[in-house]
Amino acid sequence: EAEVAQSPRYKITEKSQAVAFWCDPISGHATLYWYRQILGQGPELLVQFQDESVVDDSQLPKDRFSAERLKGVDSTLKIQPAELGDSAMYLCASSPEVGEQYFGPGTRLTVT
Amino acid sequence: KNEVEQSPQNLTAQEGEFITINCSYSVGISALHWLQQHPGGGIVSLFMLSSGKKKHGRLIATINIQEKHSSLHITASHPRDSAVYICAVARGYQLIWGAGTKLIIKP
Repeated sequence: EAEVAQSPRYKITEKSQAVAFWCDPISGHATLYWYRQILGQGPELLVQFQDESVVDDSQLPKDRFSAERLKGVDSTLKIQPAELGDSAMYLCASSPEVGEQYFGPGTRLTVT
Repeated sequence: KNEVEQSPQNLTAQEGEFITINCSYSVGISALHWLQQHPGGGIVSLFMLSSGKKKHGRLIATINIQEKHSSLHITASHPRDSAVYICAVARGYQLIWGAGTKLIIKP
C-alpha cells in the first residue's frame, strides 16, 4: 500500500541553526500539506500545495519558515533560524481529492 | 462552540471492554476522519467516512450525516489501543480537528 514518506524521522538541532524536512507524497496526489503539532495540541496547517503552487500559507511564519514543491511532487520545509519554540512534530499529508488526506509518519524536531 | 466536539476527553477502561468515542460537528462536510496517535508518534489514519459504517479488525466507525454525529468503537480493547483518537472533518481540502480523546486501556 502506498504511503507518504518523510525524512528524517527525528532531528535535534541547536537554536539558530537551519533545518530541513522532506516529504514524498503518494504518487498522483496533487495536494500536499505540512502541519505542525506542538506537544499536547492538535495539528496546525502550515502550508497547502496544489501541484507546485501554494494554496494556503496563511499560518506559515514566513520570517523563518519556507516551503517548496518545485516539480509538484516531493516537498521540502525549511526553518532558518530554528528557535526553541519550533520543537514539535512536523507532519506531511497528501490528498488525491477533496476530503481525503493521508499522513506520513512525521518528523519530530527538538531544538536545544 | 468548537466546530468539532469529541467526547469523552479522557477515557480509562479495563482490557476487554467495549469502547465508544463520539464526535459531533456543526458544519457541512465532505468526509469525516478518525485518526490515531500514540504518545510521541505520528498520525495514523483509521477511517475516512462519508456515510454509513466501516469496520477494520476490532475497530468500527459509524456516521450519521443527518445528525452530524460519528462514533468510533473498539471491541475487545487491548492495552496497545492506548492512544489519542482524533476526529477531523473535511471541508473541501481542509481538515477541522477535534481536540482528541485520550484512551488508556489497563491490563
